Amino acid sequence: EVQLVESGGGLVKPGGSLRLSCAASGFTFSNYGMSWVRQAPGKGLEWVSSISSSSTFIYYADSLKGRFTISRDNAKNSLYLQMNSLRVEDTAVYYCARSPSSSGDGFDYWGQGTLVTVSS
Amino acid sequence: SYELTQPLSVSVALGQTARITCGANNIGSKNVHWYQQKPGQAPVLVIYRDSNRPSGIPERFSGSNSGNTATLTISRAQAGDEAGYYCQLWDSNTALFGGGTKLTVL
Repeated sequence: EVQLVESGGGLVKPGGSLRLSCAASGFTFSNYGMSWVRQAPGKGLEWVSSISSSSTFIYYADSLKGRFTISRDNAKNSLYLQMNSLRVEDTAVYYCARSPSSSGDGFDYWGQGTLVTVSS
Repeated sequence: SYELTQPLSVSVALGQTARITCGANNIGSKNVHWYQQKPGQAPVLVIYRDSNRPSGIPERFSGSNSGNTATLTISRAQAGDEAGYYCQLWDSNTALFGGGTKLTVL
């Protein structure tokens, strides 16, 4: 059974940093692209970033302006999102999601999400 | 920039057919994916590449895509289909989501 479990969310002050993790199991992690998608409270889905199976290709939403960094460790079956210079508007549930490639395909499995709250 | 337009809400009578649209310029040239999201839950992929159903998704869910409109069709709507629905595609290595449609089953 495919499982994606996010962790690392919490309350952080504006300007602070946070590192999210996503532990994958039930599939060959190194064969799949992975992504982060977020959802602000009461709002729609917003794509954040994607990374290819071997980290060769990495894409970010333009709105992030270099504040976030996606990475993965295939030996640990884990995906990460380093978030710096956090803003109030970054408050959201952050989901990790799997896709057959880093771009072009749909996201076929999602984790349950981890809540990030940016507030003073 | 490329934008996907969905109606905010769609209502359907129990057992009838619901159609949720996703509009964008020449969307028919792209692969569109659809997600269902129930309150407090993660999204679930219900249609991929315009018209394909993942394993476990009922045949009542179907999709089409042509011209400037992609459509998710839910036949014989059930109370359990009441949820938010999002279209999504890739444009220049950027994943784009529609604003979402709240489906109400009456």
